[in-house]
Amino acid sequence: SAVISQKPSRDICQRGTSLTIQCQVDSQVTMMFWYRQQPGQSLTLIATANQGSEATYESGFVIDKFPISRPNLTFSTLTVSNMSPEDSSIYLCSVGTGDADTQYFGPGTRLTVL
Amino acid sequence: QKEVEQNSGPLSVPEGAIASLNCTYSDRGSQSFFWYRQYSGKSPELIMFIYSNGDKEDGRFTAQLNKASQYVSLLIRDSQPSDSATYLCAVAPNRDDKIIFGKGTRLHILP
Repeated sequence: SAVISQKPSRDICQRGTSLTIQCQVDSQVTMMFWYRQQPGQSLTLIATANQGSEATYESGFVIDKFPISRPNLTFSTLTVSNMSPEDSSIYLCSVGTGDADTQYFGPGTRLTVL
Repeated sequence: QKEVEQNSGPLSVPEGAIASLNCTYSDRGSQSFFWYRQYSGKSPELIMFIYSNGDKEDGRFTAQLNKASQYVSLLIRDSQPSDSATYLCAVAPNRDDKIIFGKGTRLHILP
């Protein structure tokens, strides 16, 4: 499986600011995804990061709030914009290896918004 | 609405016994099925995947799939305290599609 890193691992931010989370993979992957996991909850898919084109967002998530970049096959960023306390969550990137939808997760970014 | 259902638990199992985790899914055309383990404060870790009806064994873990009943399960033999975690069932409705996660079952192995 691919080795996935995320930066930062955690952050505490003020309301109204923005945070960009980076996801780096040690090999080229076709599919990259961004998820949110709120305390005690399961995973919610935010969007699929597409290389060379705009991300595909799930219902309830919009580009203005969660802009995503995917400049190449090993790297993606997710920005959480104009943050509110409701954005406090763990944000996870995952990669698809092409092996019939199997996904592997990065270590996550724990975000607290005050 | 494609759904994946799991009992939230907690499921308490004595050490050394078999833990049985269950999952049902709504989309009859689903192709791929996954079990992830998530320790508190950590990200999900893939432990098993299965595509065909029947059983698939990997060490102490056995995944069971019954597409007719739209049911997938995970058995953990000789349960250890280190198996205490939340187990997430995930389903891919179609190949090359995103996967849908259940809410997870909390498993507690009693020493």
